[in-house]
Amino acid sequence: QVHLQESGPGLVRPSQTLSLSCAVFSGAIKTDGYYWGWIRQPPGKGLEWVGYIYYNGNTYYNPSLRSRVTISVDMSKNQFSLTLGSVTVADTAVYYCARGLIGYGNFDSWGQGTLVSVSS
Amino acid sequence: QSVLTQPPSVSGAPGQRVTISCTGTDSNIGANYDVHWYQQLPGGAPRLLIYGSKHRPSGVSDRFSGSKSGTAASLAITGLQAEDEGEYYCQSHDSVLSGSVFGGGTTVTVL
Repeated sequence: QVHLQESGPGLVRPSQTLSLSCAVFSGAIKTDGYYWGWIRQPPGKGLEWVGYIYYNGNTYYNPSLRSRVTISVDMSKNQFSLTLGSVTVADTAVYYCARGLIGYGNFDSWGQGTLVSVSS
Repeated sequence: QSVLTQPPSVSGAPGQRVTISCTGTDSNIGANYDVHWYQQLPGGAPRLLIYGSKHRPSGVSDRFSGSKSGTAASLAITGLQAEDEGEYYCQSHDSVLSGSVFGGGTTVTVL
């Protein structure tokens, strides 16, 4: 059973860059049939897809965030990362990393989530 | 405003059956993309309940079932239990956005 674990700062200043990593355990990122994504959830609100990456490096981003977001993969560390630039208080959320199943398009394994607050 | 529309809340007595709808458009559910359902218990991460519109992952109770027709999908919970209280989300793919879309979530309350 694959296990995912997010890590990164819990507080980011406005206009700065948010950076998170997701370590993948009991499964290789370079596995056919899967992609690796980020989903966020502002406090008290619903889920919002941020983007995902295939192990070959192809990326897909939410159009509303595309100008500010980058997702990358580090095969040597078996982890993938999220950077979100020019953050505002509206980017305050619990950020989840998750594994997606190619073909169906669902997320079958999720990390526990990490709260990132944007505040001065 | 979410691309997929869900009712804000549904409720039922223990043992009853409740259904949650998820309404989309011709660029997502209506374009024959699969619908998936997640359960999020208070303080926890989302958990996959239904994938491919009607399939249950191993370990998910058969009290949960999914269906899809046209531009809408639904999740049914039978034999409602107190442990089912939480938030439920639908998810699909949208061809215009070229990515995943979620419903706004539905709160299930056991009376």
